[in-house]
Amino acid sequence: GESVGLHLPTLSVQEGDNSIINCAYSNSASDYFIWYKQESGKGPQFIIDIRSNMDKRQGQRVTVLLNKTVKHLSLQIAATQPGDSAVYFCAENTGDYKLSFGAGTTVTVRA
Amino acid sequence: DAGITQSPRHKVTETGTPVTLRCHQTENHRYMYWYRQDPGHGLRLIHYSYGVKDTDKGEVSDGYSVSRSKTEDFLLTLESATSSQTSVYFCATAGTGGFEAFFGQGTRLTVV
Repeated sequence: GESVGLHLPTLSVQEGDNSIINCAYSNSASDYFIWYKQESGKGPQFIIDIRSNMDKRQGQRVTVLLNKTVKHLSLQIAATQPGDSAVYFCAENTGDYKLSFGAGTTVTVRA
Repeated sequence: DAGITQSPRHKVTETGTPVTLRCHQTENHRYMYWYRQDPGHGLRLIHYSYGVKDTDKGEVSDGYSVSRSKTEDFLLTLESATSSQTSVYFCATAGTGGFEAFFGQGTRLTVV
C-alpha cells in the first residue's frame, strides 16, 4: 500500500493518550489488511488484521478501521505506552498471498 | 518469530561479488518471501515462493535470484552485488491458513 493524504511519517504522542495512525491503500481489489509493528533492530510483528468484509476490528488496546469507499485504513492505540514506540506499517494483500507495504509511520511516545 | 532464522545477520561484501542469504523456517509454512527495507520505502517484495521449486518475482527482483529446494529453506542470491543492494533483507513465511506473514530478524547487507 502507499501512504498518501492523511498519512504522517512521524507521530509524537503523550504517554496515556490515544494514537491514530493512518494509511491509504492503493488496490481497490485488496481483500485483507494487516498492521505490523517494527521495533528497532527487529523484524515486523503482527498486530491486527481485518478483512474487506468488515469495517472495524478490535484487539487488545488496538482497533483497526477500514473505509473501503476512500481506501483508507487506520490503527488506533488506546492509552499509548512507552513500549508502543516503533514504526507501524499497514500492508494489503494484493492477491496470491503477497503483501504490499506502506512506507510506515514512526511513533514516539513522550513521557 | 515463528521459527524463522536468517543467516548471516550481518554481512559486508565488495561490489561485484556473489552473495547468498539464507532463510530457514521450522513452521512448515508453504509461502516464503524475501523483502528489502530501505529508508522511505517500507518493505518491498523481491521474490516469493508458493511451494518447493515454485517461485515468482516481486516488485524489485532485478539483480536477485532465489531457490527453494526444500520446504524449510529459501535462498536469496545476489549474482553480482552492487552498492544499490545495500539494504536490510527480511525473510517472511505464511501458512495456508491465512495471509498473515511472519518475519525473521533481518540481514543487514552492506556492499562496498
